[in-house]
Amino acid sequence: EAQVTQNPRYLITVTGKKLTVTCSQNMNHEYMSWYRQDPGLGLRQIYYSMNVEVTDKGDVPEGYKVSRKEKRNFPLILESPSPNQTSLYFCASSFQGLAEAFFGQGTRLTVV
Amino acid sequence: AQKVTQAQTEISVVEKEDVTLDCVYETRDTTYYLFWYKQPPSGELVFLIRRNSFDEQNEISGRYSWNFQKSTSSFNFTITASQVVDSAVYFCALISTGGGNKLTFGTGTQLKVEL
Repeated sequence: EAQVTQNPRYLITVTGKKLTVTCSQNMNHEYMSWYRQDPGLGLRQIYYSMNVEVTDKGDVPEGYKVSRKEKRNFPLILESPSPNQTSLYFCASSFQGLAEAFFGQGTRLTVV
Repeated sequence: AQKVTQAQTEISVVEKEDVTLDCVYETRDTTYYLFWYKQPPSGELVFLIRRNSFDEQNEISGRYSWNFQKSTSSFNFTITASQVVDSAVYFCALISTGGGNKLTFGTGTQLKVEL
């Protein structure tokens, strides 16, 4: 089954404790991205990657890191999480940048 | 810069009513794509439609239809004979060739369909 898989689905952590949210797709898509969803703001892009070893900032990259060492994986790293990073996070992939994006199930992160 | 505006924050209808969700977009590019996604209460994002800027034909898929008008920069979504299962947040989104391959979302419209 074609899918984008994020882990974990839910995470509660403390301020400053490094964490990684994993994202994997099995569709051989070149383009992957991360979004955060906040009430009243819709989804905003954090980072995107057009291919292996090619990443770029989206609208709200501060406090996040990403890497794309393999085509299928695109982890999101929060080196020092803060409460304002409490949000619902989505990973997405698409065949190319202008195609429809397929989203993971979402990761609800709470930073206390 | 590109922007998507969904002015309707929340709409409530009674089952079987028709409902239209509005989407207005801004972009300076001539080549762009518009999308609608559905987010049901379970939280996942479900792709509904993709439309490119050169195709202004309206599209119908079952009870769903989309009206794309470049003259008013709008891409509205109509659900005919709404059902309770249509209750969800609906997002309109835009991506353009000059927009850095960034999918820009509107803030979403919460649709509640009641019996």
